[in-house]
Amino acid sequence: NAGVMQNPRHLVRRRGQEARLRCSPMKGHSHVYWYRQLPEEGLKFMVYLQKENIIDESGMPKERFSAEFPKEGPSILRIQQVVRGDSAAYFCASSPSQGGEQYFGPGTRLTVT
Amino acid sequence: QQPVQSPQAVILREGEDAVINCSSSKALYSVHWYRQKHGEAPVFLMILLKGGEQKGHDKISASFNEKKQQSSLYLTASQLSYSGTYFCGTETGANNLFFGTGTRLTVIP
Repeated sequence: NAGVMQNPRHLVRRRGQEARLRCSPMKGHSHVYWYRQLPEEGLKFMVYLQKENIIDESGMPKERFSAEFPKEGPSILRIQQVVRGDSAAYFCASSPSQGGEQYFGPGTRLTVT
Repeated sequence: QQPVQSPQAVILREGEDAVINCSSSKALYSVHWYRQKHGEAPVFLMILLKGGEQKGHDKISASFNEKKQQSSLYLTASQLSYSGTYFCGTETGANNLFFGTGTRLTVIP
């Protein structure tokens, strides 16, 4: 059973460009969470999705950030018009149930130049 | 709503024990524990769902005091492989986990 997959693993964008981060959950998992982590800091919740639905986006900035989890295909975290402050590691995690254990992907390290 | 972890960092010699604490200001539905090694993804260790529940595998165990809104992670007879940053994640009835700032554990020979 493959684990949570994220791609790309590293992404470099210039200020003003768009960043698209992909996450494929573990097989059988329909709950996906996105987190952001700055160096030497903890994980900050961004958004929780189930297939085709955003359940909780309270941790996501209102502007420039969006997330989706379509019926087919991976979950996508999109950051428009990136700024230097968006540089961070973005992890997604999947779970078989709401409130259940979460399994993390390897993360996407975004660098904005 | 971020839980508070203590200590922030600890250094152990192989074979020594450690306790990491996690406290919340809100009532907890569950507590999750994860370990993250530098540059890697967090790895799930265990989840505690009921007050007073204790769990463990190998030489790592945890307790959950629902009344005190606290959880503790116990590492006994530490091994070099235990090194990493330990995070607790607390569920307070919302749809997500709030993670603590982490406890950096270093085990030296």
